[in-house]
Amino acid sequence: DTGVSQDPRHKITKRGQNVTFRCDPISEHNRLYWYRQTLGQGPEFLTYFQNEAQLEKSRLLSDRFSAERPKGSFSTLEIQRTEQGDSAMYLCASSFRGAVGYTFGSGTRLTVV
Amino acid sequence: AQTVTQSQPEMSVQEAETVTLSCTYDTSESDYYLFWYKQPPSRQMILVIRQEAYKQQNATENRFSVNFQKAAKSFSLKISDSQLGDAAMYFCAYRSAYLTSGTYKYIFGTGTRLKVLA
Repeated sequence: DTGVSQDPRHKITKRGQNVTFRCDPISEHNRLYWYRQTLGQGPEFLTYFQNEAQLEKSRLLSDRFSAERPKGSFSTLEIQRTEQGDSAMYLCASSFRGAVGYTFGSGTRLTVV
Repeated sequence: AQTVTQSQPEMSVQEAETVTLSCTYDTSESDYYLFWYKQPPSRQMILVIRQEAYKQQNATENRFSVNFQKAAKSFSLKISDSQLGDAAMYFCAYRSAYLTSGTYKYIFGTGTRLKVLA
């Protein structure tokens, strides 16, 4: 196992298009997190899954955003009708139950033009 | 709500010298965790060091150590014998020890960019 994998690493899309990102956590980790990092800022929490259940969503996650984790393995984050303000790095992290720290992926950088 | 503040947007250090990065936080909780993460240009966030609030002893990991002042709500990172590979963004982060809404989300500061001069 090589850690948390995110795909794609970069995505350029036109405003109004839909995009989907994928995160493959470390296989034995049952907790999965999505964060968004804009330029010059620290990561901000978006949502959290324990196994397949989405247990918390940030107010940052507008109706245009949806996240899933079918079968408690990989997760997808979809943004519909993208806006320029969605341009950011989207980070995925995972941990196993009882762990204090996370393992982060390398992120997906989204640019909306 | 908890907040984390990093007041140094950028710091520079000469190779082999020591540098200290500052972090302050605000919380009404008594039990929590504090972290320093490093984000190199390759982007993956890497855990540098962590501190449990209930521990009085400051955490140390090789060349990295923290100065945890709970009463002052201060959590600084000291890097000794700085190396070129230490150049990165450093983020301070807070995590509650209490289970709220079933999650353990982090609250990050805005980061400090560390430059290491040869």
